[in-house]
This record gives sequence, structure tokens and C-alpha cells, in this order.
Amino acid sequence: AQSVAQPEDQVNVAEGNPLTVKCTYSVSGNPYLFWYVQYPNRGLQFLLKYITGDNLVKGSYGFEAEFNKSQTSFHLKKPSALVSDSALYFCAVRDKGGRRALTFGSGTRLQVQP
Amino acid sequence: DAGVIQSPRHEVTEMGQEVTLRCKPISGHDYLFWYRQTMMRGLELLIYFNNNVPIDDSGMPEDRFSAKMPNASFSTLKIQPSEPRDSAVYFCASSLGQPQETQYFGPGTRLLVL
Repeated sequence: AQSVAQPEDQVNVAEGNPLTVKCTYSVSGNPYLFWYVQYPNRGLQFLLKYITGDNLVKGSYGFEAEFNKSQTSFHLKKPSALVSDSALYFCAVRDKGGRRALTFGSGTRLQVQP
Repeated sequence: DAGVIQSPRHEVTEMGQEVTLRCKPISGHDYLFWYRQTMMRGLELLIYFNNNVPIDDSGMPEDRFSAKMPNASFSTLKIQPSEPRDSAVYFCASSLGQPQETQYFGPGTRLLVL
């Protein structure tokens, strides 16, 4: 079975500071990893994904994530946070050889203070 | 591209009533997924289809839930009879056929069963 852990329910950061949202995963094989963002009363918007190759993945709105196989982590990062980044962030995993559905973490609420 | 379209966006009904949620996937996508989001259980898969055929319905809570995909551009999720514990946000997502493809989510249907 596959699983995702997002250990922080909420992350607070000041505008202009770097941010990190943590994610660790467990799959039986090799993973596809995804980050989505959800704004209030909206659907999930795709940010970025790791398929293979370069461990540093760049995505939308200046976000990036680093895949670390030995630590089974895929932390989301941004060098300089904006107030508009405040939202709910979900990490998701899928086993390359497994079923197509995503397994999501519990979500991390990012609050960027002006 | 219009993205994934879901209707209705909001639904309020009384316990025991039938509820039908609708989804139009992105044109050309082979896979369609139904997810449910609740505070207690987070985001969880209900069922997914490939080329209109149900592949995995292990997430469907019980016989009160049913889903169909009569053609490539339309799917329904039906709850009959509805119960208060079915109150949640129901998301539809679609993706292309390759395993590494991104799932794109609709705006969701917020269901409240009184």
C-alpha cells in the first residue's frame, strides 16, 4: 500500500522569506510524486510533479520541489513567499507500476503574513 | 480548454433523497476519477474509469453509491438514498493515458445532506 505524510498541519512564514512544506511518502516501487494547491472553495490546481531524472523539479508560480529517494521525501519550496501563496497544499503519490489513482497527504495550510 | 466541468457546484438535500453529481472531463482524456474530500478522511478515491470502463471501485463506500460513464465526455456519481455522513466535497478529475500524466481536477461539488 502507498501512503503520504505531511507532518505539519500549518506552516507560517513571513512574506519575502523562503518557505518549505514537507512531504514524505511510502510506495512499494518507484514513485510519481505531485504537489497540488487548493484555494478556498476551489478545486485542486496542479503545481509540479516528479517523474524521473533531475531531483529538483520546477513548477508553477515559482515553486520547486526536491525529490530525495534515500529519505523518501518530496518537500515543496519557494525562495520568497507571497501573501497570495496562502492556501492548502497537498502532496500526492502514485506507484509507477500500480493503480492510476493518487494517494494524497492530509494537506498543509500555508499562511504567509504580510 | 474549458477544463474539467462539474455540476452542480452546490447541492443541499434532505436525508433519503437521491443525489446525482455530474462531470465532463477534458476532451481527449482517457481516465476519469471521482474523489471525495472531508475533514475527517481528507481526499480519498471513490472510483476511476479508463475509456469509460470502471477499473477500480474499491473506494465506493457502500451500495448507496454508484457511478457511470456512458460516453467519453460524461460521468455521473449517484447517491441513493443520501445520508448526512455523505456531506463532503466531491471532485472529478481526468488525465491522459500515460502513467506519468497529471490529473486535472474540476471545481468540485459541495454536498450537504440535512
